[in-house]
Amino acid sequence: KAGVTQTPRYLIKTRGQQVTLSCSPISGHRSVSWYQQTPGQGLQFLFEYFSETQRNKGNFPGRFSGRQFSNSRSEMNVSTLELGDSALYLCASSFGTENTEAFFGQGTRLTVV
Amino acid sequence: AQSVTQLGSHVSVSEGALVLLRCNYSSSVPPYLFWYVQYPNQGLQLLLKYTSAATLVKGINGFEAEFKKSETSFHLTKPSAHMSDAAEYFCAVSDEAGTYKYIFGTGTRLKVLA
Repeated sequence: KAGVTQTPRYLIKTRGQQVTLSCSPISGHRSVSWYQQTPGQGLQFLFEYFSETQRNKGNFPGRFSGRQFSNSRSEMNVSTLELGDSALYLCASSFGTENTEAFFGQGTRLTVV
Repeated sequence: AQSVTQLGSHVSVSEGALVLLRCNYSSSVPPYLFWYVQYPNQGLQLLLKYTSAATLVKGINGFEAEFKKSETSFHLTKPSAHMSDAAEYFCAVSDEAGTYKYIFGTGTRLKVLA
């Protein structure tokens, strides 16, 4: 079956702009989580959505937001981009119930210049 | 809050040698534990998970991990390294059972020498 699909794979944006990243989960999965990966901070949890509701949130500023649609697809938005937002953004999907693992997409590489 | 410590940011082994990657977690309550592998320019691939069903967990590609509550450890092993095992490995713990707020370790980059 198809895996987690993230689009686009690569993105270059200018400081101050905003960006939207997309994640299509595995069919049947209702939970989508987002992570930021940087060389300095490693992998950090951004937020998780389950059935269109944000279920958990990490310690990121309000410039980072997300949403989930009725078909479980999710988008992540970053407004007023800063150079430090350059990172690999990973999306993971799961059934969302206890004792089920998360499957990750290949990520979107965001570069802010 | 949970935390995960991976000892050794870089590990080198010879092809055919034992692979041992170390992971310690902080919680006194056995959490859900995972090992993921990341190849260059790729996402994370699940190797195995511990969910209290068995202390010795077998995963894909010949990897296994043993949960030791007394040592709060979940080390990853493979009896014989292959060149294709060269990658970065991450240990993760779920912050709360049934959620997907994973806390990741800082990763261990495995190098396999011919």
